[in-house]
Amino acid sequence: QSVLTQPPSVSGAPGQRVTISCTGSSSNIGAGYDVHWYQQLPGTAPKLLIYGNSNRPSGVPDRFSGSKSGTSASLAITGLQAEDEADYYCQSYDSSLSVFVFGGGTKLTVL
Amino acid sequence: QVQLQESGPGLVKPSQTLSLTCTVSGGSISSGGYRWSWIRQHPGKGLEWIGNIYYSGSSNYNPSLKSRVTISVDTSKNQFSLKLSSVTAADTAVYYCARDHGSGNIKWFDPWGQGTLVTVSS
Repeated sequence: QSVLTQPPSVSGAPGQRVTISCTGSSSNIGAGYDVHWYQQLPGTAPKLLIYGNSNRPSGVPDRFSGSKSGTSASLAITGLQAEDEADYYCQSYDSSLSVFVFGGGTKLTVL
Repeated sequence: QVQLQESGPGLVKPSQTLSLTCTVSGGSISSGGYRWSWIRQHPGKGLEWIGNIYYSGSSNYNPSLKSRVTISVDTSKNQFSLKLSSVTAADTAVYYCARDHGSGNIKWFDPWGQGTLVTVSS
């Protein structure tokens, strides 16, 4: 059971918009700790997608955006492409556990 | 740009110690400003932060693993290492090394090594 809760799967057709939620609690996201997002393509290492809730590293398309409110955060992907099919993970810090925590991951399927 | 590469045995016997090394290229661990982490991913499952280290040797560990984990750094080789003792099948995972960004407890991980699968089995 992950400290940060994500839906196991989401799907969308090419060109559509999808969102992936990441729900935490008052000891992590709700405590003000930033949320970061990673994309893991099949058979590869996770890659940083969003840092500091809504910032994109250089090279990440602006189709990817992040937001945070209260005890939750969201990753939005617009103009869905086949190459976006991957697992997505959120990450933050939990002050009760004193550890960096990840969500359980969401598998995105492009229909 | 900075690149990380894990190395070490892919098979470890139960009760023994898992030992991995991460070699950093394209940048110096000694330059400071970053901590360096180990993260693992159990087969088909999510990610678990194991711990991190600064070039000075200052380390932090996941409390759930703290009694079994040691992370060390060798600045002369631009490497940092992970030792996990008394392993069981539950420690079978892909182990990644990564560079920490940010400050305090606002940290994210980038880049990551390609990962190495360690299987615990007799």
